[in-house]
Amino acid sequence: NAGVTQTPKFRILKIGQSMTLQCTQDMNHNYMYWYRQDPGMGLKLIYYSVGAGITDKGEVPNGYNVSRSTTEDFPLRLELAAPSQTSVYFCASSRGKGLNTEAFFGQGTRLTVV
Amino acid sequence: ILNVEQSPQSLHVQEGDSTNFTCSFPSSNFYALHWYRWETAKSPEALFVMTLNGDEKKKGRISATLNTKEGYSYLYIKGSQPEDSATYLCALWPDYKLSFGAGTTVTVRA
Repeated sequence: NAGVTQTPKFRILKIGQSMTLQCTQDMNHNYMYWYRQDPGMGLKLIYYSVGAGITDKGEVPNGYNVSRSTTEDFPLRLELAAPSQTSVYFCASSRGKGLNTEAFFGQGTRLTVV
Repeated sequence: ILNVEQSPQSLHVQEGDSTNFTCSFPSSNFYALHWYRWETAKSPEALFVMTLNGDEKKKGRISATLNTKEGYSYLYIKGSQPEDSATYLCALWPDYKLSFGAGTTVTVRA
């Protein structure tokens, strides 16, 4: 099973450029998440989705946008990249409530904005 | 987003010693608590999902307990080995979104 697949693994952007981080899962999970890893701060939630067509903001949504047109895909768009968006980004998915809330993570995307 | 606190931030353990660390969270609106293991250059992987007050979970030498009334969970590592070196994250799942603590980084010295 592929699980959660993120692309690209690495990317360097110039200030002001835009890009889309791709995330797809093949586990038919309803819930999907985007996190960024900031040093010493753990994982901060950017956006999440509870199903196709439904998205909502997390803790740090500014400068990002998402869409969820299918159950499988949850792309994250960075508009007008800024140095503060230099981070490692993780996409995750989970099945549902109760004991099924375990999250499965992609391999991460290391983004540098210069 | 709930405030999930982990302590200590880091600890160093001698191989063979046992250790434990804490995850604290607001006791209201509890639904599920997760523990994840995060090795360097890898992705977090789930260790335990706990939902009931008094829950105890075990996987090999690692175990966890949960007290939802007082808002804390302990993770224990018995007889630490170098391969236990990782950051251990706890996360709360109150309403569809996982809120993570900053993690406890464990370094096991051979």
